[in-house]
Amino acid sequence: DAKTTQPTSMDCAEGRAANLPCNHSTISGNEYVYWYRQIHSQGPQYIIHGLKNNETNEMASLIITEDRKSSTLILPHATLRDTAVYYCIVGYSGGYNKLIFGAGTRLAVHP
Amino acid sequence: EAQVTQNPRYLITVTGKKLTVTCSQNMNHEYMSWYRQDPGLGLRQIYYSMNVEVTDKGDVPEGYKVSRKEKRNFPLILESPSPNQTSLYFCASSVSGQGRNTGELFFGEGSRLTVL
Repeated sequence: DAKTTQPTSMDCAEGRAANLPCNHSTISGNEYVYWYRQIHSQGPQYIIHGLKNNETNEMASLIITEDRKSSTLILPHATLRDTAVYYCIVGYSGGYNKLIFGAGTRLAVHP
Repeated sequence: EAQVTQNPRYLITVTGKKLTVTCSQNMNHEYMSWYRQDPGLGLRQIYYSMNVEVTDKGDVPEGYKVSRKEKRNFPLILESPSPNQTSLYFCASSVSGQGRNTGELFFGEGSRLTVL
């Protein structure tokens, strides 16, 4: 499985956009990019995923570079409730979900 | 409401006393999995199940057993718990099968286990 590299921590002001980067330079052609987050010690929560095209849902936007070696998760208007650890994961869709969670980025949203 | 329910949420036990952590999902998902989370080690997969009566080892299966007799339930069994199994445990489920698996795992709220 491809590995990902994320910053250990980031800060964001409430109401501003939070842009969380992820490098996945060894991603293979049919691997997806997934984003999850974990608030305190709650169960991880799925946010979004994509293959090649940019994706948007009610929670966030995912921007994947053309070479697919990196991506950015965008929370357009961060709130205090978005304070969490964000995991960028690459893996296959289909079969079973062998998603490997790394250390993630600890995002702190402050007033 | 779609959910994955784990019980107990918190448990303190002693070495060698068998225990079971239950997991139930109400989404008719084929795939279920157990993870443990430890500081500095992230989430590691213990066991997973593709469907009823189909289970397989994950990355850290030693000391654990599972069963999948019904689609909705996937209990985690610690036959003889040891202190190194003190951890935060998560159950997760999703649809599976080629073309239907979106990679969206639904997680339970976690079970914090302490083995003395």
